Amino acid sequence: SQQGEEDPQALSIQEGENATMNCSYKTSINNLQWYRQNSGRGLVHLILIRSNEREKHSGRLRVTLDTSKKSSSLLITASRAADTASYFCATDAGQAGTALIFGKGTTLSVSS
Amino acid sequence: GAVVSQHPSRVICKSGTSVKIECRSLDFQATTMFWYRQFPKQSLMLMATSNEGSKATYEQGVEKDKFLINHASLTLSTLTVTSAHPEDSSFYICSIPKPFMAGGRQDTQYFGPGTRLTVL
Repeated sequence: SQQGEEDPQALSIQEGENATMNCSYKTSINNLQWYRQNSGRGLVHLILIRSNEREKHSGRLRVTLDTSKKSSSLLITASRAADTASYFCATDAGQAGTALIFGKGTTLSVSS
Repeated sequence: GAVVSQHPSRVICKSGTSVKIECRSLDFQATTMFWYRQFPKQSLMLMATSNEGSKATYEQGVEKDKFLINHASLTLSTLTVTSAHPEDSSFYICSIPKPFMAGGRQDTQYFGPGTRLTVL
């Protein structure tokens, strides 16, 4: 089963603009992770935020987590054409070491 | 370097044949491995959990007789798609949680590069 929805499903922006993607989940969690997947390729781990954290930064990425709303957002600042990919959030449904449950994903297209 | 490998990376087969996909842990021993499936333009869905020394556990809706999982050793799990049909065409990805004893944290999972299966 999947945790929930990500929105938007698709996002098209120009290089240099910021991209914001949102993710909702249904169960309690230990942490939430964001992954990137280029077309036809494997997953690239971007960032992990724990349930007791509210915000985390990594380079041009900023992730927020609101456990009261069971939602998270991923912000990519100053986007580049190379950021074109699908982005997925994933949670552990509150049980560490178990399989991850993925959201439906957002397809980001950055044009130069 | 890579922590998890998958073989083959891509396979094309005729309808009715069986295909074996390997997931190998290169860095540590793993008693548990996860198999996911991703249809085109969709997200990853957990298919089954591979357990070393015991039977795999399958998610609801996944046919255990069609998707045979064998956790052959502490570093290898195989997924065999039996009598494959075009609707089985998908991207199959394994992941492995790194256990504490190997220096992992409870939230550390490593994904393989995936296997693209096309059934004609």
